[in-house]
Amino acid sequence: DSGVTQTPKHLITATGQRVTLRCSPRSGDLSVYWYQQSLDQGLQFLIQYYNGEERAKGNILERFSAQQFPDLHSELNLSSLELGDSALYFCASSAGKGLNEKLFFGSGTQLSVL
Amino acid sequence: AQSVAQPEDQVNVAEGNPLTVKCTYSVSGNPYLFWYVQYPNRGLQFLLKYITGDNLVKGSYGFEAEFNKSQTSFHLKKPSALVSDSALYFCAVRTYGQNFVFGPGTRLSVLP
Repeated sequence: DSGVTQTPKHLITATGQRVTLRCSPRSGDLSVYWYQQSLDQGLQFLIQYYNGEERAKGNILERFSAQQFPDLHSELNLSSLELGDSALYFCASSAGKGLNEKLFFGSGTQLSVL
Repeated sequence: AQSVAQPEDQVNVAEGNPLTVKCTYSVSGNPYLFWYVQYPNRGLQFLLKYITGDNLVKGSYGFEAEFNKSQTSFHLKKPSALVSDSALYFCAVRTYGQNFVFGPGTRLSVLP
């Protein structure tokens, strides 16, 4: 068990809808990362937060947004969903922002857009 | 821009034989290199990392990796494969000012 909790584990929704994915990092970790994993794109970095502030942005669509709350949990909001958004979304956490820090991954949220 | 290549989509090896999963990278600056493993329906798990120092890095579950600066490679190795090593393996690189970049993954199948 990595200590990173993601909910829900599975989400089935329709095109055009909006969903929220939730992540609780390991106790004490200040950094939260969001990744999207799909068969054709591999593991794509979306966004990173450090202690409530956005730290880095990757290939995140404008329809997607995220935030990290004072208790350090994070939410990823996906809106105007399209079929192509179907993927496994991972949250990961690390203690700080150092380059050599390893990431601890949650088990992911499997999103299916029908 | 930094990038990671894992030239083999799939690696098959017999149980008890040595295994190698290849990774090459491209960065400007000094690389921080990582290997992660993903079992079915699970998140990625850290195996090992290279930051600096000895080119041979030892990690979890008997895995090791060799950093080769001239060949810009960081191949994952294990002297004797187990069936339970069958999983998806990801190489990742990070450098100053940049976030993690993961390779496409290599599926390892260890045959009994």
